[in-house]
Amino acid sequence: DSGVTQTPKHLITATGQRVTLRCSPRSGDLSVYWYQQSLDQGLQFLIQYYNGEERAKGNILERFSAQQFPDLHSELNLSSLELGDSALYFCASSVDETGAYNEQFFGPGTRLTVL
Amino acid sequence: AQSVTQLGSHVSVSEGALVLLRCNYSSSVPPYLFWYVQYPNQGLQLLLKYTTGATLVKGINGFEAEFKKSETSFHLTKPSAHMSDAAEYFCVLYNFNKFYFGSGTKLNVKP
Repeated sequence: DSGVTQTPKHLITATGQRVTLRCSPRSGDLSVYWYQQSLDQGLQFLIQYYNGEERAKGNILERFSAQQFPDLHSELNLSSLELGDSALYFCASSVDETGAYNEQFFGPGTRLTVL
Repeated sequence: AQSVTQLGSHVSVSEGALVLLRCNYSSSVPPYLFWYVQYPNQGLQLLLKYTTGATLVKGINGFEAEFKKSETSFHLTKPSAHMSDAAEYFCVLYNFNKFYFGSGTKLNVKP
């Protein structure tokens, strides 16, 4: 158990819909990272928040957005869903600002299926 | 452009044999490099990382990797494979505040 929790574990929805994925980092970690893992695209870094502020942006679509709240949990919002958005979405957390010096701890993921 | 190439999407070894998973990178600045392991239906776990300093990096579970700047490589090795090593392994590059993942190598360990 990494200490990172993600809810829900599974999510099935239809095209055009909007969903919210939730992540609670390990106690004491200030950074939250979001990743997408799909068969087509592999693993991709989406976005990082540090202590409530967006710190780095990767291959995140404009239809997707995220935020980190004062209690440090984070939400990833996916809208106007397409079939190609079906993937496993991971959240990770680390104590530092970069994720390069201290280990990132990954949650178990949320599996999103868009029908 | 920053990129990571993992040679071989599937590697199969016998238990007790040497494990060698290959990773080459492209980076416009000195990179930070990582190897992560993903067991079935789980998140990723850090095996080892190279930031600066010693080019031979030792990680958990007996794995190590050597950073070779001249070859732009960061291959992962383990002298003797164990059945529990069967998993998918990802080589990851970090620079300019972003992470770039290789396509992954699935390691199969035969008894």
